[in-house]
Amino acid sequence: QITLKESGPTLVQPTQTLTLTCTFSGFSLSTTGVGVGWIRQPPGKALEWLALIYWNDEKRYSPSLKSRLTITKDTSKNQVFLIMSNMDPVDTATYYCAHRLRVAGTWRSFDPWGQGTLVTVSS
Amino acid sequence: DIQMTQSPSSLSASVGDRVTITCRASQDISNYLAWFQQKPGKAPKSLIYAASSLQTGVPSKFSGSGSGTDFTLTISSLQPEDFATYYCQQYNSYPYSFGQGTKLEIK
Repeated sequence: QITLKESGPTLVQPTQTLTLTCTFSGFSLSTTGVGVGWIRQPPGKALEWLALIYWNDEKRYSPSLKSRLTITKDTSKNQVFLIMSNMDPVDTATYYCAHRLRVAGTWRSFDPWGQGTLVTVSS
Repeated sequence: DIQMTQSPSSLSASVGDRVTITCRASQDISNYLAWFQQKPGKAPKSLIYAASSLQTGVPSKFSGSGSGTDFTLTISSLQPEDFATYYCQQYNSYPYSFGQGTKLEIK
């Protein structure tokens, strides 16, 4: 069974840097064809894809946030990290991490997702 | 970037009804389309990938179709637990993008 759980600060001040951790079980990020992504959702709004990291350390970012985002992994600890700099109140959202898998040469979308963690940006 | 547009934004239906939600991509995404269900305060749950393939454990009352730019999610015989918000997402090319959501409410 695959599970993921996000952790990090619930409150950050404007201009600070946010570091979120996704701790997972049931799969390894050293296995070919596996990825972990980050998606966020402002209160009452739609989902927004942020970043992805793959087993081979390939990384992809949302262009609109690329200058502020860094995604990394610690395969030995089954963790993925998302670092977002220069936080602003508009970044207030629930942040989710999610598993991604390639099956028979074809990538599927995100499944399953973590429970999410609400991050509020306020002074 | 690919824009995903869902319609309707909200939908009222009764238990037992069959409903269809549409999702349109601003350019051809082949069949790289997923559907998610989200209930209040919960994480999204994957229903369908590759436009029409059901995720393991998802009941067959959910079905998806389409290819290219036009896609549909159909839910048959609505039950109380099906009332939620539904999102489509394209994963044909980066940046991945979601629709704005369709809120399915009880009439």
